[in-house]
Amino acid sequence: DGGITQSPKYLFRKEGQNVTLSCEQNLNHDAMYWYRQDPGQGLRLIYYSQIVNDFQKGDIAEGYSVSREKKESFPLTVTSAQKNPTAFYLCASRVGWVGSNQPQHFGDGTRLSIL
Amino acid sequence: SQQGEEDPQALSIQEGENATMNCSYKTSINNLQWYRQNSGRGLVHLILIRSNEREKHSGRLRVTLDTSKKSSSLLITASRAADTASYFCATALIQGAQKLVFGQGTRLTINP
Repeated sequence: DGGITQSPKYLFRKEGQNVTLSCEQNLNHDAMYWYRQDPGQGLRLIYYSQIVNDFQKGDIAEGYSVSREKKESFPLTVTSAQKNPTAFYLCASRVGWVGSNQPQHFGDGTRLSIL
Repeated sequence: SQQGEEDPQALSIQEGENATMNCSYKTSINNLQWYRQNSGRGLVHLILIRSNEREKHSGRLRVTLDTSKKSSSLLITASRAADTASYFCATALIQGAQKLVFGQGTRLTINP
């Protein structure tokens, strides 16, 4: 089945540690996104990528980093500079071109907590 | 404030009743999308309505869009317990349509 796989489902971070969240899609989508969701809130955009080897900052990129070396993979690193990383992280993808009227497809999220 | 603001924040109704959720936005859009999120899960796309469309249907779902008022509504008819979830509107702006801006959602509870 085509879809988006996020791993792990639960992740714990120690003080001063960087952690990496995995996102893999087999939908052959060009665009991929990372969102952060806090309890009872909507989604806020962290980073997005429209093509391999290119990505842009979203609204809350500070303390996060990404890479896009392969079309199907868009890992997110939560660095020690992110002082409040506890949240639910969602990855999404979309069929490419700018302006197209296409929905985003979401993974089932990774819940990150601080030890 | 948010581009997309939803109303009400929470809604509780009896099974079989209709549920209506509203979304308002501030900036001109390319399209508006509605998503559902079950507790602890990812979002599932429900309906996309383009800026030149006024109404769309999908099964028990009906979405309207009024660009003059910058607002949209989602109607779920004959609700079921399985409809219990959070519902989000998201707008694709004309400038930057590759990104979506999400509202804070409406938490819908269907009581059996």
